[in-house]
Amino acid sequence: DAKTTQPTSMDCAEGRAANLPCNHSTISGNEYVYWYRQIHSQGPQYIIHGLKNNETNEMASLIITEDRKSSTLILPHATLRDTAVYYCIVRETDEKLTFGTGTRLTIIP
Amino acid sequence: ETGVTQSPTHLIKTRGQQVTLRCSSQSGHNTVSWYQQALGQGPQFIFQYYREEENGRGNFPPRFSGLQFPNYSSELNVNALELDDSALYLCASSITGGDYGYTFGSGTRLTVV
Repeated sequence: DAKTTQPTSMDCAEGRAANLPCNHSTISGNEYVYWYRQIHSQGPQYIIHGLKNNETNEMASLIITEDRKSSTLILPHATLRDTAVYYCIVRETDEKLTFGTGTRLTIIP
Repeated sequence: ETGVTQSPTHLIKTRGQQVTLRCSSQSGHNTVSWYQQALGQGPQFIFQYYREEENGRGNFPPRFSGLQFPNYSSELNVNALELDDSALYLCASSITGGDYGYTFGSGTRLTVV
């Protein structure tokens, strides 16, 4: 079973920051937080991952709380192409990805 | 670098038949995983291959089997197809031993009639 809880859906205005929350209260010390997104009928796309520290790359930022029980994915300037289902996943190194149902993010023009 | 490629993109089979799906992993990746995604659901892990051996399996029956080849490409075979096997089948490659992300292919859409 997935170890994460995410809102079913969210809307965000184009050009604004999209903040997607994720709860993973049972995460253990060696488990990473991964974010993927899936645009309709395509394979999931890797966004970002982290263990303890906040992370940033060209796509997004990942903010992990100090107790690691929750995290937030931030898309700083959402565009229409960011409309997708976003999956938050906790994973041990070399272990499978266990997907939940994700958050359906809709960017509003 | 090349990404993960899967073939065919779409396939229609009859119940009871057998099917083989193929996957070429991303350059430099040594591990391949397969996932099944039913309509409206998140992907479900089928199994993973490393060094040509299965090293992890999800809750799928034995009629789902696979192979990994020396060049790290992989096949997924499904025997005795059932209607519920209709789904998007995703292949993902990665590097074992690191905290790297998986790279997914675009999938094969299998329809069983």
